[in-house]
Amino acid sequence: KAGVTQTPRYLIKTRGQQVTLSCSPISGHRSVSWYQQTPGQGLQFLFEYFSETQRNKGNFPGRFSGRQFSNSRSEMNVSTLELGDSALYLCASSLGGGAAYEQYFGPGTRLTVT
Amino acid sequence: AQSVTQLGSHVSVSEGALVLLRCNYSSSVPPYLFWYVQYPNQGLQLLLKYTSAATLVKGINGFEAEFKKSETSFHLTKPSAHMSDAAEYFCAVTSKRGGSEKLVFGKGTKLTVNP
Repeated sequence: KAGVTQTPRYLIKTRGQQVTLSCSPISGHRSVSWYQQTPGQGLQFLFEYFSETQRNKGNFPGRFSGRQFSNSRSEMNVSTLELGDSALYLCASSLGGGAAYEQYFGPGTRLTVT
Repeated sequence: AQSVTQLGSHVSVSEGALVLLRCNYSSSVPPYLFWYVQYPNQGLQLLLKYTSAATLVKGINGFEAEFKKSETSFHLTKPSAHMSDAAEYFCAVTSKRGGSEKLVFGKGTKLTVNP
């Protein structure tokens, strides 16, 4: 079974631009969660989608948004990029929502904002 | 609010020595606890998970962790370190409420294994 895939793997953007990252979950998984990983703040939860609905949201500004499609693929968008948005963005999928289900992580997208 | 504290951002051991990575949690309700490992340029991989079925949890690659409610701890151990264990390890907690739990991660502990 193929794992979680994230595209692109690396991205360089300029301040003020916007970016869209993509995540394809493991086949059959209906929940997708997004995390931001930085050296200073560590791993922080962005949001979770289950069956196209946002179930949970972390403490990030409205510039961070996401969506999930009917095939469970998910995208996250960051508008008006800031230097502090430079991070590794990780996506994780699971069969269902909630703590009972193991999350499987993708390799991440490394975003650099200059 | 739930939180996780990992004691020691860097731990160095010799190959063959005991690995002990410390994790203390704060949760107002019975928690689920996890240990994840991250190798360079990769995502996170689940090592083991505590869900209250047993206090001693065995995971992959010879790792295990013991849930101690009285100490609010969930330390990760491995009897004999291998060079391939060098990675960053993250402890995480979530509540067992139904529905909308989210994982809260510790800051991570980078493990170095010396030959």
